[in-house]
Amino acid sequence: ETGVTQTPRHLVMGMTNKKSLKCEQHLGHNAMYWYKQSAKKPLELMFVYNFKEQTENNSVPSRFSPECPNSSHLFLHLHTLQPEDSALYLCASSQERGTGGLLTSGNTIYFGEGSWLTVV
Amino acid sequence: SQQGEEDPQALSIQEGENATMNCSYKTSINNLQWYRQNSGRGLVHLILIRSNEREKHSGRLRVTLDTSKKSSSLLITASRAADTASYFCATALSNTGNQFYFGTGTSLTVIP
Repeated sequence: ETGVTQTPRHLVMGMTNKKSLKCEQHLGHNAMYWYKQSAKKPLELMFVYNFKEQTENNSVPSRFSPECPNSSHLFLHLHTLQPEDSALYLCASSQERGTGGLLTSGNTIYFGEGSWLTVV
Repeated sequence: SQQGEEDPQALSIQEGENATMNCSYKTSINNLQWYRQNSGRGLVHLILIRSNEREKHSGRLRVTLDTSKKSSSLLITASRAADTASYFCATALSNTGNQFYFGTGTSLTVIP
């Protein structure tokens, strides 16, 4: 148990569906992340939120829409996905120093167990 | 690309042997971290080494960092079957704040 909880653990959705992945961290951290892990590829950093503000969007298609209502919760809304979007989606959090924007401490990040997404 | 690259991609050893994995990266870093991932699970943090450190130990783990060569190594001593997992290095780059970049990992199999 890392203190980062992701739901659902498994999700199968059609290409026209709308679904959401949820992440909650119980560590009091101020930064949260979404990563995508596909077979044989490096983990891809998708989004970074610092103090609830999105500070990074690594050229992620608009069919992925993140939402961070507070420092403890992070959502990934999914809409009209493609089969190649099937992957393990990992949420993570960390405690960073600074006042928001570009933080520079690079502390340990804690991952959830991931949500396995299959798009059919 | 900016992510670390682990080497070898796969490693198979007998229980009790030592396992060494390497990580190379391309640009200046604040720190480098090693993570472990059991099949289909999340990543678990193992150890963090900062750019001004050269070596760190944690139990059976030993990590080295050579910033001149932009490389790091993870040594697991006296391996156990339970060490079977994928191991990733992650770099926090000097100019990108708290963005962490991962490689494709080394898949370690420890044979009982």
